[in-house]
Amino acid sequence: NAGVTQTPKFRVLKTGQSMTLLCAQDMNHEYMYWYRQDPGMGLRLIHYSVGEGTTAKGEVPDGYNVSRLKKQNFLLGLESAAPSQTSVYFCASSYSLGTGNMNTEAFFGQGTRLTVV
Amino acid sequence: ILNVEQSPQSLHVQEGDSTNFTCSFPSSNFYALHWYRWETAKSPEALFVMTLNGDEKKKGRISATLNTKEGYSYLYIKGSQPEDSATYLCAVNTGTASKLTFGTGTRLQVTL
Repeated sequence: NAGVTQTPKFRVLKTGQSMTLLCAQDMNHEYMYWYRQDPGMGLRLIHYSVGEGTTAKGEVPDGYNVSRLKKQNFLLGLESAAPSQTSVYFCASSYSLGTGNMNTEAFFGQGTRLTVV
Repeated sequence: ILNVEQSPQSLHVQEGDSTNFTCSFPSSNFYALHWYRWETAKSPEALFVMTLNGDEKKKGRISATLNTKEGYSYLYIKGSQPEDSATYLCAVNTGTASKLTFGTGTRLQVTL
């Protein structure tokens, strides 16, 4: 059982280049999330999805796009990378949120370290 | 933007000490509070998911309590060990039911 897998693990981009980060989960989870982690700022939500074909903006969505064409995959795209997007990106998934016992833990991928020069 | 605050920011204790951290959050429209343990070079892993006011959860030497009316949770570690060294994150599911908002974490270092 692989859990949550992120591809790639490391990447260096030049300003203006584009790339796509892939997140795959094999737990049949409905909810998937992309966070970025920067020193002193914790995990900030970029975009999230509550099911196949749906996406929504988080706290810091500017400069990113996402797609959830298949339930198991959540893609994060950078159309024109900027140095401010240098960060560590974490994908997470969970079965359910909301009230009572339906609220379940999130599982995280190993992270993608992205440097934009 | 939901404000989830954790204190202290960092903590340095000796082996055998007991310690506790705080997570504060807005108490309105609350669904759940999650605690995660994040070791360096690894991914965050869940410790507890707590949903009800007065909830208390325990896993080995680590326990947590929840007060939804006043908007805080405590995480306790009894008899700290070097392997407890990590960043402890809390995350709140409130308002919009579909996302988790994280605090900035408490970094714990336990030395011999």
